[in-house]
Amino acid sequence: DAGVIQSPRHEVTEMGQEVTLRCKPISGHNSLFWYRQTMMRGLELLIYFNNNVPIDDSGMPEDRFSAKMPNASFSTLKIQPSEPRDSAVYFCASSLVAEEQYFGPGTRLTVT
Amino acid sequence: QKEVEQNSGPLSVPEGAIASLNCTYSDRGSQSFFWYRQYSGKSPELIMSIYSNGDKEDGRFTAQLNKASQYVSLLIRDSQPSDSATYLCAGSSYNTDKLIFGTGTRLQVFP
Repeated sequence: DAGVIQSPRHEVTEMGQEVTLRCKPISGHNSLFWYRQTMMRGLELLIYFNNNVPIDDSGMPEDRFSAKMPNASFSTLKIQPSEPRDSAVYFCASSLVAEEQYFGPGTRLTVT
Repeated sequence: QKEVEQNSGPLSVPEGAIASLNCTYSDRGSQSFFWYRQYSGKSPELIMSIYSNGDKEDGRFTAQLNKASQYVSLLIRDSQPSDSATYLCAGSSYNTDKLIFGTGTRLQVFP
């Protein structure tokens, strides 16, 4: 099994630019989660989808963040416009059985 | 605010010893608990799941759950330097698919 795939693995961008992070969940999994991890705040859940439908986006920090899941094998997390405080590692995770989540390798985002 | 609490460490143990990692949680509705291992610069890796009171063993790892005390632990027997990592405890959130993560305990196993 290929596991959860994320791209890009590293992203460096300037403040104000749009950033799009991509995720392909494990085939057959029906839930997808976007997390952000920083030293200060640890691992934070941003949003999760079940069967491609957003269920809980209460962790999305503000309107600059948006996420979509157009089909069972693809999701995006977009930040527009990006700010330096958005610098973090963004993880995507997927699960089949409720709660056993498997994480992708992450995208390290740096906003200058 | 539903929380999962862990001591941030570092917990330092000599090679071959038993490492004991602990976690408490506030949500009495939590039914399932998970331990993830995260090496520096890597993603969290699921190593243990536990759903009922008592012990669950998998190789050198034993997870323990006490719902009455709202306490979860992970024991690592015969600790190896390769076990040096941050261990994240997570609990399910009642009636959702969400997990509530602790901030992690950093374990250092020295030769």
